[in-house]
Amino acid sequence: EVQLVESGGGVIRPGGSLRLSCAGSGFTFGDYGMSWVRQAPGKGLEWVSGIKWNGGSTHYADSVKGRFTISRDNAKNSLSLQMNSLRVEDTALYYCARANGSLTTLPVDYWGRGTLVTVSS
Amino acid sequence: SYVLTQPPSVSVAPGKTARITCGGNNIGSKSVHWYQQKAGQAPILIIYFESDRPSGIPERFSGSNSGNTATLTITRVEVGDEADYYCQVLDSNSDHPVFGGGTKLTVL
Repeated sequence: EVQLVESGGGVIRPGGSLRLSCAGSGFTFGDYGMSWVRQAPGKGLEWVSGIKWNGGSTHYADSVKGRFTISRDNAKNSLSLQMNSLRVEDTALYYCARANGSLTTLPVDYWGRGTLVTVSS
Repeated sequence: SYVLTQPPSVSVAPGKTARITCGGNNIGSKSVHWYQQKAGQAPILIIYFESDRPSGIPERFSGSNSGNTATLTITRVEVGDEADYYCQVLDSNSDHPVFGGGTKLTVL
């Protein structure tokens, strides 16, 4: 059974940093593109960042470019999102998401349950 | 960036057919994916590449795409279909996924 489990969320002040992690199991992690998708409270889905199966290519939404860094460790079946210079508008539930193939341009076929990030003074 | 427009809400009686639209400039030239998100849960993929269904998704769910509108059709709607539905495409200029704003389906 495919499982994606996020961790690392919490309450942080504006300007602070946080690192999210996602542990994948039940599939060959290194064969799949992975992404982070967020959902602000009561709002819709927003793609944040994606990374190709081998980590060779990363992409970011304009809203987080230069502040967030996505990475992966296929040996540890893990995905990370380093979030710096956090803003109030980054408050959201962050989902770890697996692409339906090696590229992040493919649809998401599995989602984690999310980890909540709250940016507040 | 590419914009997808969905109606905020759609209401339908049980047993009837619901149609949820997703509008975008020449969306008919793009591959459209649809997700269902029930209250308090993570989204799930219900339609990919316009009309393919992942295993376990009932045949009642189907998709179509032409011109400037993609449509998710749900036949014989059940109370359990109440959820938010999101369309998604790839913005070809940036290669970034883009989601529609979501449509809340209410089963009366």
